[in-house]
Amino acid sequence: DTAVSQTPKYLVTQMGNDKSIKCEQNLGHDTMYWYKQDSKKFLKIMFSYNNKELIINETVPNRFSPKSPDKAHLNLHINSLELGDSAVYFCASSQEGQGVGGELFFGEGSRLTVL
Amino acid sequence: QQQVKQSPQSLIVQKGGISIINCAYENTAFDYFPWYQQFPGKGPALLIAIRPDVSEKKEGRFTISFNKSAKQFSLHIMDSQPGDSATYFCAASFNKFYFGSGTKLNVKP
Repeated sequence: DTAVSQTPKYLVTQMGNDKSIKCEQNLGHDTMYWYKQDSKKFLKIMFSYNNKELIINETVPNRFSPKSPDKAHLNLHINSLELGDSAVYFCASSQEGQGVGGELFFGEGSRLTVL
Repeated sequence: QQQVKQSPQSLIVQKGGISIINCAYENTAFDYFPWYQQFPGKGPALLIAIRPDVSEKKEGRFTISFNKSAKQFSLHIMDSQPGDSATYFCAASFNKFYFGSGTKLNVKP
């Protein structure tokens, strides 16, 4: 049974469109995250939620909007997609917040390609 | 500004050899230093981690060496195997994780 699952695995869309990526974790963790991995494999945190409350909001364009309906789910909605949004987006969760060095459990990623 | 600098970017090692990946950091507030392993098409997964009160941690063939005064830490993979071929990320954590830029390891049979 997958611990952190995200859908869809692949997304191909045109510039200007809106898309969403969904994430669910069945580990009972309180904290969930969205990371972006660019073409050079660099991993950068975008958002962090603790028990549905936004904790970390990095310098991310406001076209990106996370939503956490409950502590097991964290979705990412992207408006007006741009070419530079093409990347692999990873959802992750941890038992504790990042400040105490909790292990991050990553999903398998959602590869977004904007044409 | 990259908080954690990782090198080399890529590494080719013969089967049975030792793979060494290095990381350096500046922020002395970091208190947790994990290494993550990522296979193609998969998410990163925790491999091994160390806290700054320890200079070395070993788990099987994987060892982290930590030099607090130099603000450097490294991953050593002994007896490297083709199945170790993956991208390795070091990270440092204080109030959030900062990842290195990754090292793509290729172990030749």
